[in-house]
Amino acid sequence: AQSVTQLDSQVPVFEEAPVELRCNYSSSVSVYLFWYVQYPNQGLQLLLKYLSGSTLVKGINGFEAEFNKSQTSFHLRKPSVHISDTAEYFCAVNLGYSSASKIIFGSGTRLSIRP
Amino acid sequence: DAGVIQSPRHEVTEMGQEVTLRCKPISGHNSLFWYRQTMMRGLELLIYFNNNVPIDDSGMPEDRFSAKMPNASFSTLKIQPSEPRDSAVYFCATQIVGQNTEAFFGQGTRLTVV
Repeated sequence: AQSVTQLDSQVPVFEEAPVELRCNYSSSVSVYLFWYVQYPNQGLQLLLKYLSGSTLVKGINGFEAEFNKSQTSFHLRKPSVHISDTAEYFCAVNLGYSSASKIIFGSGTRLSIRP
Repeated sequence: DAGVIQSPRHEVTEMGQEVTLRCKPISGHNSLFWYRQTMMRGLELLIYFNNNVPIDDSGMPEDRFSAKMPNASFSTLKIQPSEPRDSAVYFCATQIVGQNTEAFFGQGTRLTVV
């Protein structure tokens, strides 16, 4: 079965500190990987995505993620966080079927930034 | 494009009443997903459609839930009868199937059943 695991439900960090949000997936088929961000009382919006090519992908707001096939991971990082990064972050997998793609989300990681 | 449009944004209803949530996908997107978000269960995929056809409804919790997509520009999620445990935020998301791109989300409908 395909699944996405976000290892940390909450991550508190101080402002301007680096952060890493962890994501592991399991799948027997090719996958496409995404990170979404959800600000309070809003829908999810895309931060970045990995489809193919370079394993290091850069997204909006200074975030980046690295696809590691051997470890089946897609961890999200930012070298210096800001108060405005306070939100919930979701890792997602789009199973690579061409005719019926299905997107599965992890349980989310709540990032809280302390001044 | 205005993005994925969901209505209503908020719905408060009494237990036992019928509730209908609506979604208008982005023009040209031919895959549509309904998700439910709660504190306890996180983001759950309820059902998704490709080209207006339901592909997988295994996430629909009970027979009280039903979803339709009568055409490419409209989908509904209906709960009849509603129960307090159905209280959640319901999201609609759409995508262009076959391109393995990301899904675009609506703002959600916050449902409260009292």
